[in-house]
Amino acid sequence: AQKITQTQPGMFVQEKEAVTLDCTYDTSDQSYGLFWYKQPSSGEMIFLIYQGSYDEQNATEGRYSLNFQKARKSANLVISASQLGDSAMYFCAMTVNTGGFKTIFGAGTRLFVKA
Amino acid sequence: GAGVSQSPRYKVAKRGQDVALRCDPISGHVSLFWYQQALGQGPEFLTYFQNEAQLDKSGLPSDRFFAERPEGSVSTLKIQRTQQEDSAVYLCASSFGSGRDTGELFFGEGSRLTVL
Repeated sequence: AQKITQTQPGMFVQEKEAVTLDCTYDTSDQSYGLFWYKQPSSGEMIFLIYQGSYDEQNATEGRYSLNFQKARKSANLVISASQLGDSAMYFCAMTVNTGGFKTIFGAGTRLFVKA
Repeated sequence: GAGVSQSPRYKVAKRGQDVALRCDPISGHVSLFWYQQALGQGPEFLTYFQNEAQLDKSGLPSDRFFAERPEGSVSTLKIQRTQQEDSAVYLCASSFGSGRDTGELFFGEGSRLTVL
């Protein structure tokens, strides 16, 4: 079954420190895409970072990096130098082939950044 | 506008009423998705369009849910005979790519449906 698992319902981090949000996935596809999205309390879903299954290097976008371990089927998000504005829900997502292609999401991790 | 637009932003319906939610994707985007998001949960896939073709509707909860995108642009999600369990935020997303290269999704602000 195609599935995304995020085991951390909530995480706390001190401002300016780094934090890792966990994501594991399950798919039988050889080619797939992995994404992270941020959803602040205002509700809009914001794309953060993308990793293709055949990309050998970990993706980075500013303060965001994706720690991709293909053998372990994990795609953890690392946020460096946390800011108060990083407090939000974070969703890991994957594009899967189910006859057609669709993007499925995990249950999310709520991140709280402390001043 | 440049982004994905959804309307209405808020809808209150009495149980049994029909509702229609509209999504206006980014111009030129091939793929369009509908998701249902319950409070504190991740988005749950409902249906997917590639242009005007509905390629996947496996996530629609029941035959009371119907979606269309007749001209490959604007899409409407219709819910007939609403039930309390239909209360959720309905998110629409579009992307330039399709299939394996769907890529980044651009989301609208959502339509919050409350069924009394």
